[in-house]
Amino acid sequence: KAGVTQTPRYLIKTRGQQVTLSCSPISGHRSVSWYQQTPGQGLQFLFEYFSETQRNKGNFPGRFSGRQFSNSRSEMNVSTLELGDSALYLCASSSGTVINEQFFGPGTRLTVL
Amino acid sequence: QKEVEQNSGPLSVPEGAIASLNCTYSDRGSQSFFWYRQYSGKSPELIMSIYSNGDKEDGRFTAQLNKASQYVSLLIRDSQPSDSATYLCAVRIQGAQKLVFGQGTRLTINP
Repeated sequence: KAGVTQTPRYLIKTRGQQVTLSCSPISGHRSVSWYQQTPGQGLQFLFEYFSETQRNKGNFPGRFSGRQFSNSRSEMNVSTLELGDSALYLCASSSGTVINEQFFGPGTRLTVL
Repeated sequence: QKEVEQNSGPLSVPEGAIASLNCTYSDRGSQSFFWYRQYSGKSPELIMSIYSNGDKEDGRFTAQLNKASQYVSLLIRDSQPSDSATYLCAVRIQGAQKLVFGQGTRLTINP
């Protein structure tokens, strides 16, 4: 079974731009969660989608948004990028209706200049 | 009080010894607990999950859960240099569709 895939793997943007990251979960998994990882804050939960519905959202500003498609693929968007948005963005998929074991993709490394 | 707490380390253990990693959590209603391993520059990899009080063994890894004391631990027996990584404890908070992660413990196995 193929694992979680994320594209692109690396991204360099400038302040004020926007970015869209993509995640394809493990086949058959319907839940996709997004996390931001930085050296100072660790892994911070952004949001979780299940069957195209956002079920949970972390404490991030509205510049961070996401969506999920009918094939369970998910995208997250960050608008008006700030320097502090530089981070590793991780997507994780889970199979059940209740979040338990999550499997992470390789991540997208975003650098904001 | 943080929801999930771990000693950040670094924890240094000689090769062949037992490495012991600890994690405490604040939500008494938490039901699901996970250990992830993260190598530098890589994404977290799930190595253990535990849902009931007691021990759960998988190869050289043993997860221990004590809900009354609200802690979960990971033991790595016969530690190898390849075990050197950051270990993340994660807890599913009751009623929430998300995992909360600790800051991670950096483990170094010395040959």
